[in-house]
Amino acid sequence: DIVMTQSPLSLPVTPGEPASISCRSSQSLLHSDGDNCLHWYLQKPGQSPQLLISLGSNRASGVPDRISGSGSGTDFTLRISRVEAEDVGVYYCMQGLETPWTFGQGTKVEIK
Amino acid sequence: EEQLVESGGGLVQPGGSLRLSCVASGFTFSTSWMHWFRQSPGKGLVWVSYINGDGNNTNYADSVKGRFTISRDNAKNTLYLQMNSLRAEDTAVYYCARDGIMRAFDIWGQGTMVTVSS
Repeated sequence: DIVMTQSPLSLPVTPGEPASISCRSSQSLLHSDGDNCLHWYLQKPGQSPQLLISLGSNRASGVPDRISGSGSGTDFTLRISRVEAEDVGVYYCMQGLETPWTFGQGTKVEIK
Repeated sequence: EEQLVESGGGLVQPGGSLRLSCVASGFTFSTSWMHWFRQSPGKGLVWVSYINGDGNNTNYADSVKGRFTISRDNAKNTLYLQMNSLRAEDTAVYYCARDGIMRAFDIWGQGTMVTVSS
């Protein structure tokens, strides 16, 4: 199975300040068609997960442009340029390359 | 509005069975790959099972293989998860989700709680 490792697991943030989350996979997520099969999800408190970023860097519909994804192969990063109160929750990276599709442990973002 | 609504969760004894349902609306269900996930209390997300659009291709996590069966009724826009031989470790919130592209799950249901306990 592909193992997904996120860091940090807890991230206290100050509103207006930037934040970043790292995600590493145990093998390359580069698909033969050139896309990286790495997606980011946010699970806000008491809610279902929601898609933020697909294929490493494509923002989902409705996601603000202060949230971005980058990376390739085995190393990926989610960045929030200016954290807002609505960004609190648990962020998960997930590999969509091969079964079983696996998630990182999650990074809990909370306001200082 | 694109939406998924799960139902069927509840309290069941170890060794018992339960069938979850997930009703889709607002998108073309019959061509959508669909998945089940679960999240144990206070834990992370785990993929459980997948089914393709016409239902002739399925896959399961090792932890549920041989006990759970995924199916769909495209005429009713409904996804199912039949869960047999339930164990305490199956206790979780179960979510259904639509596979948008390359396992980017772009629509999620609200979840249904399954508790396996005597």
